[in-house]
Amino acid sequence: ILNVEQSPQSLHVQEGDSTNFTCSFPSSNFYALHWYRWETAKSPEALFVMTLNGDEKKKGRISATLNTKEGYSYLYIKGSQPEDSATYLCASRGGGSNYKLTFGKGTLLTVNP
Amino acid sequence: GAGVSQSPRYKVAKRGQDVALRCDPISGHVSLFWYQQALGQGPEFLTYFQNEAQLDKSGLPSDRFFAERPEGSVSTLKIQRTQQEDSAVYLCASSLGIGQGFFFGQGTRLTVV
Repeated sequence: ILNVEQSPQSLHVQEGDSTNFTCSFPSSNFYALHWYRWETAKSPEALFVMTLNGDEKKKGRISATLNTKEGYSYLYIKGSQPEDSATYLCASRGGGSNYKLTFGKGTLLTVNP
Repeated sequence: GAGVSQSPRYKVAKRGQDVALRCDPISGHVSLFWYQQALGQGPEFLTYFQNEAQLDKSGLPSDRFFAERPEGSVSTLKIQRTQQEDSAVYLCASSLGIGQGFFFGQGTRLTVV
């Protein structure tokens, strides 16, 4: 069984604050780690796909790192804006299945103006 | 269309009623997935198609759930004799193939009353 855990479950920050979330996943038979941003009433939007240990990716004010040996990934948001408010989901591909994603429960971020 | 399209967006069903949820994937995408997200949970895998072949249905919670993709494009998820525990958001995702990015639809929110 592949368990993906995310923390915290929810987070409230002020506009301009920087923040980060954690995703942990089983490190054995790992293929890839996906991060999604999901706003209410919209489709989950792909942020990053990472495969290699030590990967670091950046998209605007959002960045992510990957440690496949210890099974964790961090997502960072620099200078949070109200439009960053969303649920951030991570999902792992691995554990003997290279085609399906196993999701965590997500981190709900609320950025107050 | 440019993205994955799901219909209906919202469905209210009386307990015991049959429902059918539709997914139009991105044209040319070989892989198609259905996920179920219950309140407070992350999306849970239901089933996977490669073209018209259903290669994995291990996540379908009971024999009341049935999915098909007869021509390798549009897919339908059917739930017979709906129960309250079937209330969830049903997400469809497509990708070009194994190891490629996943593109999600907006989901269908099913409420069984």
